[in-house]
Amino acid sequence: DSGVTQTPKHLITATGQRVTLRCSPRSGDLSVYWYQQSLDQGLQFLIQYYNGEERAKGNILERFSAQQFPDLHSELNLSSLELGDSALYFCASSVEGGGVTDTQYFGPGTRLTVL
Amino acid sequence: DAKTTQPTSMDCAEGRAANLPCNHSTISGNEYVYWYRQIHSQGPQYIIHGLKNNETNEMASLIITEDRKSSTLILPHATLRDTAVYYCIVRSNAGGTSYGKLTFGQGTILTVHP
Repeated sequence: DSGVTQTPKHLITATGQRVTLRCSPRSGDLSVYWYQQSLDQGLQFLIQYYNGEERAKGNILERFSAQQFPDLHSELNLSSLELGDSALYFCASSVEGGGVTDTQYFGPGTRLTVL
Repeated sequence: DAKTTQPTSMDCAEGRAANLPCNHSTISGNEYVYWYRQIHSQGPQYIIHGLKNNETNEMASLIITEDRKSSTLILPHATLRDTAVYYCIVRSNAGGTSYGKLTFGQGTILTVHP
């Protein structure tokens, strides 16, 4: 158990809908990262927040957005869902801002299925 | 970040050491080597990381060659629960818009046999 929690574990929804994935980092960690893992793309970095502010951005679609709240939990919002958004979504957290020795610890993931 | 090359798959007998190689010939001086593993769709699990010295923890050992162009992750006594995809990742302090990003390749599928 890494100490990172994600809810829900599974989510099934329809195309065009909007969903929110939630992540609670390990106690004391200031950074939260979101990754997407699909069968054809592998594990891909989406976005990082550090102490409430966006810190780094990957190939995150405009239909996707995230935020980190004052209590440091984070939410990933996915809207206008398409079949291709079906994937595992992982959250990770780290103590600091993401430097080269700042180890990331991953949560168990949310499996999103878009029908 | 430097690119890494890993074998697609490897087998290991239970109880024997599993030695997983990784090539990172373009690594630069301030880049670290990280290893993660992912057991069947679970979240990636951090294993170990190092810069240039060999490292050991309760899970594994990391051996980095003197020229730092390759490394080997060693699981000293593999068990069936070590069957997973193992990812070798090189991280830099490049900063900018990809500051905290981990770049995962295809990894090595390690299968531990009874």
